Amino acid sequence: DGGITQSPKYLFRKEGQNVTLSCEQNLNHDAMYWYRQDPGQGLRLIYYSQIVNDFQKGDIAEGYSVSREKKESFPLTVTSAQKNPTAFYLCASSNALGGAGGYTFGSGTRLTVV
Amino acid sequence: SQKIEQNSEALNIQEGKTATLTCNYTNYSPAYLQWYRQDPGRGPVFLLLIRENEKEKRKERLKVTFDTTLKQSLFHITASQPADSATYLCALDSSAGKSTFGDGTTLTVKP
Repeated sequence: DGGITQSPKYLFRKEGQNVTLSCEQNLNHDAMYWYRQDPGQGLRLIYYSQIVNDFQKGDIAEGYSVSREKKESFPLTVTSAQKNPTAFYLCASSNALGGAGGYTFGSGTRLTVV
Repeated sequence: SQKIEQNSEALNIQEGKTATLTCNYTNYSPAYLQWYRQDPGRGPVFLLLIRENEKEKRKERLKVTFDTTLKQSLFHITASQPADSATYLCALDSSAGKSTFGDGTTLTVKP
């Protein structure tokens, strides 16, 4: 079955460490997105990519970095510059720009700073 | 600035009744609006998309309306069931390939 796979499901980061969250899709979607969700809040856009080797900053890109070397993969690195990284991170993809056909989401990665 | 508001954080209804969730927006002119369901600890699941030139869309027990004059979308679940209990998010396309999500409304359907 096609879908989006995020790993790991849970991730613990020490202060000052960089960590990378994995996102892989086999839906043949061109566009991929990373969102952050804090308790009781909606999704906030971190980065998005409409095509391989191209990506744009979202609303809260500071302290994060991404790459899009393959159509299927869009990893997110949470750097030590992100002061409050504890959150639920969601990866999504869409076959149309801006999700005009709806977004498909992964099951999320919960990141905790210890 | 652009703003999306979903009605009260929590909505409690009795099984069999119709649940109505509201999504209001300001300073947007969205071409379409989407509704998602999110269960605790899971990613959102796409339910329905309605375009600006559509007044209403239905899918099984779900109905969405879109009033661009009022800048409002209503999401209805008829004959609600306890299994419909979840958080429901609306999302509007903003610009340049991005969508903005509301904070969600948590629906609880009591047996």
